[in-house]
Amino acid sequence: EAQVTQNPRYLITVTGKKLTVTCSQNMNHEYMSWYRQDPGLGLRQIYYSMNVEVTDKGDVPEGYKVSRKEKRNFPLILESPSPNQTSLYFCASSRPTGVLTDTQYFGPGTRLTVL
Amino acid sequence: AQSVTQLGSHVSVSEGALVLLRCNYSSSVPPYLFWYVQYPNQGLQLLLKYTTGATLVKGINGFEAEFKKSETSFHLTKPSAHMSDAAEYFCAVSDLMGGATNKLIFGTGTLLAVQP
Repeated sequence: EAQVTQNPRYLITVTGKKLTVTCSQNMNHEYMSWYRQDPGLGLRQIYYSMNVEVTDKGDVPEGYKVSRKEKRNFPLILESPSPNQTSLYFCASSRPTGVLTDTQYFGPGTRLTVL
Repeated sequence: AQSVTQLGSHVSVSEGALVLLRCNYSSSVPPYLFWYVQYPNQGLQLLLKYTTGATLVKGINGFEAEFKKSETSFHLTKPSAHMSDAAEYFCAVSDLMGGATNKLIFGTGTLLAVQP
């Protein structure tokens, strides 16, 4: 089954404790990205990757890091989480970059709470 | 810059009634438009998309949307609501000004409630 998986689905942590949210897709997609969803703001892109070892900032990258060492995986790293990073996070993937009409496939989401 | 505006953060309809969720876009180039649905505790799922060609687009679960360039709108409709349609709906536009990044620019979402 074609899918995007994220782990963990729920996470409660404390300020400053480094964490990683994993994202994996089994569709051989080149493009992957991370969004955060906040009430009244919709989804905003954090980082994206156009292929292995190619990443770039989205609209709200502050406080986040990513890496793309393998095509299928795109982890989101919070080196020192703060309460304003409490949010619902989605990973997404799609076919080759440049195909702007293509469907993006979303993971189930990770609900992060930073105390 | 491109943007999307969804009018009405909450919409409530009765089962069997017409569903109308509004989306207006702003774009200096012909847009690519999408509607996604998010069921409780799930990720986003594509309902339908408009790229080029026919302006009336049919999607899954009986939904459709019409691209109206003159009104810069892409409203989502369904003739008869089902209880299973209760979800949050997001309108989005491809970021055509940002290069080939595949980025989507989302509206703030509309939460649809369906009353029995």
